[in-house]
Amino acid sequence: GAGVSQSPRYKVAKRGQDVALRCDPISGHVSLFWYQQALGQGPEFLTYFQNEAQLDKSGLPSDRFFAERPEGSVSTLKIQRTQQEDSAVYLCASSLGSDRSSGNTIYFGEGSWLTVV
Amino acid sequence: GQNIDQPTEMTATEGAIVQINCTYQTSGFNGLFWYQQHAGEAPTFLSYNVLDGLEEKGRFSSFLSRSKGYSYLLLKELQMKDSASYLCAVRDWGSSGGYNKLIFGAGTRLAVHP
Repeated sequence: GAGVSQSPRYKVAKRGQDVALRCDPISGHVSLFWYQQALGQGPEFLTYFQNEAQLDKSGLPSDRFFAERPEGSVSTLKIQRTQQEDSAVYLCASSLGSDRSSGNTIYFGEGSWLTVV
Repeated sequence: GQNIDQPTEMTATEGAIVQINCTYQTSGFNGLFWYQQHAGEAPTFLSYNVLDGLEEKGRFSSFLSRSKGYSYLLLKELQMKDSASYLCAVRDWGSSGGYNKLIFGAGTRLAVHP
């Protein structure tokens, strides 16, 4: 597709339920980021992939959060045993390069809105 | 560590000019971005500065001073549709261990009124 695609757009989960959020980046993009954005806040970094390698997962809030990108394209963010504080928008972003002089274009998806009840 | 500060809220009048300031501290500065985000939508790219000075793009301009760790976004001829959150984001290379990491401020909610 032309842009970063995320699904589902909206998800309501019961507390304790597992959820999986999908990100389909722009074809050929090396770098992929996941961010969490709570209401009224800026996006908070969760994790970064360079191709299939997860180089940074320092932002994942707990071991209930897990992300993968097994073939270096589509990525999945999984949240186990969801809790109410997990309610947020989960944004995926991708960019073409990965080196220090990479261009300035980072593309964001529309986000997955998660509400835990 | 990294720290990005910007005002929480601002109001302005249609047709006026508004300046949104951003200060940052980061160990591996590699560019500063401004994004616009309407409620319920993804951030959209507005501007990018990596060298000191002013970048102008239509009604929007962005300024950077690396020595002061300071940037501002200037919006001219404000329109009602400019009511949105404006996110300052710093691209950090040095502290991230070998990749470009985008770190966001909390955002400034701008309300434009008639």
